[in-house]
Amino acid sequence: AQSVTQLDSQVPVFEEAPVELRCNYSSSVSVYLFWYVQYPNQGLQLLLKYLSGSTLVKGINGFEAEFNKSQTSFHLRKPSVHISDTAEYFCAVSAFNSGGSNYKLTFGKGTLLTVNP
Amino acid sequence: NAGVTQTPKFQVLKTGQSMTLQCAQDMNHNSMYWYRQDPGMGLRLIYYSASEGTTDKGEVPNGYNVSRLNKREFSLRLESAAPSQTSVYFCASIRGASGANVLTFGAGSRLTVL
Repeated sequence: AQSVTQLDSQVPVFEEAPVELRCNYSSSVSVYLFWYVQYPNQGLQLLLKYLSGSTLVKGINGFEAEFNKSQTSFHLRKPSVHISDTAEYFCAVSAFNSGGSNYKLTFGKGTLLTVNP
Repeated sequence: NAGVTQTPKFQVLKTGQSMTLQCAQDMNHNSMYWYRQDPGMGLRLIYYSASEGTTDKGEVPNGYNVSRLNKREFSLRLESAAPSQTSVYFCASIRGASGANVLTFGAGSRLTVL
């Protein structure tokens, strides 16, 4: 079984400030990790993913995330946010050995990032 | 490319009415999924189809049925709508149901049951 915990349901920040959205996961097997973003009134789209290799992953729009296996975390960061980054952000995990009917992508409950001028 | 297309975008139903949400993808993906999104609950999987001809229950299947009509289309049916089914519904597809692959989502269908 796998689970994802997003520690903050809402994060308000001012424009040009740095931001970190926290994500912790639990799994009995190795995992792949994802961050999806949902802009207002839209579907979800991929922001970045960790599959293997370097633990620092860069995504679109200047976001990056760091995989920490010992702390089972995959926190999302951006050094300077813009108004247009206002959106809901979802952390998700899938098991390394899942496939076919056993494939399962588990989402966190989401973090609403609000960037204020 | 259209990606994943959902219809309708908005729908209002009365309790007890039935309706079908349609989903089609043009990416030749094998697997398709239906999620519902509720405030503070994240996304919860209703049903999925790992490949054409197969469907399986997700976390919250009660009150729903699905049909994988062909490789492109995956519909979600509410036989007797209830207010608890008021939600935003998302269809998603994936090339192959492997842990490393990425879901492509539709824009969503907002359903209100009165």
